[in-house]
Amino acid sequence: AQSVTQLGSHVSVSEGALVLLRCNYSSSVPPYLFWYVQYPNQGLQLLLKYTTGATLVKGINGFEAEFKKSETSFHLTKPSAHMSDAAEYFCAVSDRGTSYDKVIFGPGTSLSVIP
Amino acid sequence: GAVVSQHPSWVICKSGTSVKIECRSLDFQATTMFWYRQFPKQSLMLMATSNEGSKATYEQGVEKDKFLINHASLTLSTLTVTSAHPEDSSFYICSGEDNEQFFGPGTRLTVL
Repeated sequence: AQSVTQLGSHVSVSEGALVLLRCNYSSSVPPYLFWYVQYPNQGLQLLLKYTTGATLVKGINGFEAEFKKSETSFHLTKPSAHMSDAAEYFCAVSDRGTSYDKVIFGPGTSLSVIP
Repeated sequence: GAVVSQHPSWVICKSGTSVKIECRSLDFQATTMFWYRQFPKQSLMLMATSNEGSKATYEQGVEKDKFLINHASLTLSTLTVTSAHPEDSSFYICSGEDNEQFFGPGTRLTVL
């Protein structure tokens, strides 16, 4: 069975500082990996995804993530935090072996940005 | 990207009544749609997978007779919460698949 863990339910960074949100996954087959952002009382927006190819994936709003198979990790980073980055972030995994992309979400990390 | 809408965006109902939530793919056809629920400060939990023209596949622990899912067309799936109780109060999010999943804005259900 697939699963996702996110270290740190809450992360605070200063504006302009590096953002690092950690994600580790468990999957019996090569996974598809995703990062989503959720603003209060809204749906999910896809930040980036890894399917195949280059392990460093660039997404929207300056975010990027690196797939490290040996570490079963897919950490999300952004060089310089902005106030508008404050939100809930979810790492997710899907099983590329299924006929449809059943997505399993991690518990989420709440990011606060301090002025 | 593709757009998924949900209606209503929020609903308040009395305990014992039924509530229907619609999920529509506006600019693509979604053979498969997914329904999630999210409790405050928690992650999204997959409830069921809805395939057009066939019965939904429910995740373990989800009562199929309580959460009725109908996927009558390639652009519409509905979730009906039957005989709703306060513990059913939650944020319900649907998604449609078009090479990737596109999520709706969610429906907040409050059962009094």
